[in-house]
Amino acid sequence: DAKTTQPTSMDCAEGRAANLPCNHSTISGNEYVYWYRQIHSQGPQYIIHGLKNNETNEMASLIITEDRKSSTLILPHATLRDTAVYYCIVEGLSVRFGAGTRLTVKP
Amino acid sequence: GAVVSQHPSRVICKSGTSVKIECRSLDFQATTMFWYRQFPKQSLMLMATSNEGSKATYEQGVEKDKFLINHASLTLSTLTVTSAHPEDSSFYICSARGGGGVAFFGQGTRLTVV
Repeated sequence: DAKTTQPTSMDCAEGRAANLPCNHSTISGNEYVYWYRQIHSQGPQYIIHGLKNNETNEMASLIITEDRKSSTLILPHATLRDTAVYYCIVEGLSVRFGAGTRLTVKP
Repeated sequence: GAVVSQHPSRVICKSGTSVKIECRSLDFQATTMFWYRQFPKQSLMLMATSNEGSKATYEQGVEKDKFLINHASLTLSTLTVTSAHPEDSSFYICSARGGGGVAFFGQGTRLTVV
């Protein structure tokens, strides 16, 4: 499974877009990028995933670079309830978590 | 998204006893289930991966005789912590993955061994 690198923490103002980067330079051609988030004391929640095209759903957008070595999760209008730890995972046979990014949305 | 139910959400047990945690995929068939433990302020640590009908694959350093995993059906996996000790107190989380590739997570079980 390819390793991912994310910033330890980020702040975002409520109502603004939150852009969370992730590096996955060792990703292989058939591996997908998945994003999950974990709100305190709960199980992780699936957000979005993609292979090489940009993806959008009701929660977020996922931008994957053309070389697939990095991606960005975009929460278009962050709310206080989006405060959580966000995990970027390159999913293979197993689902392993890195340290993630702790996003704090501030009023 | 799909629903994964984990039970119980909290359990307190005495040292030396065993505790069983159930993980069910409610609306899809889970060909693969994963079990994690999480200590405060840390990330999830993968303990084992199990495929339906076969033995679980444990991560390095996880004692398979202490953490018994059964994945007898496509909708149910169980984790039994045998002879629990205070150091086993942790947040245990399961996830289930079907054919679509997305892993969905249970709500977690907070185990306290006293």
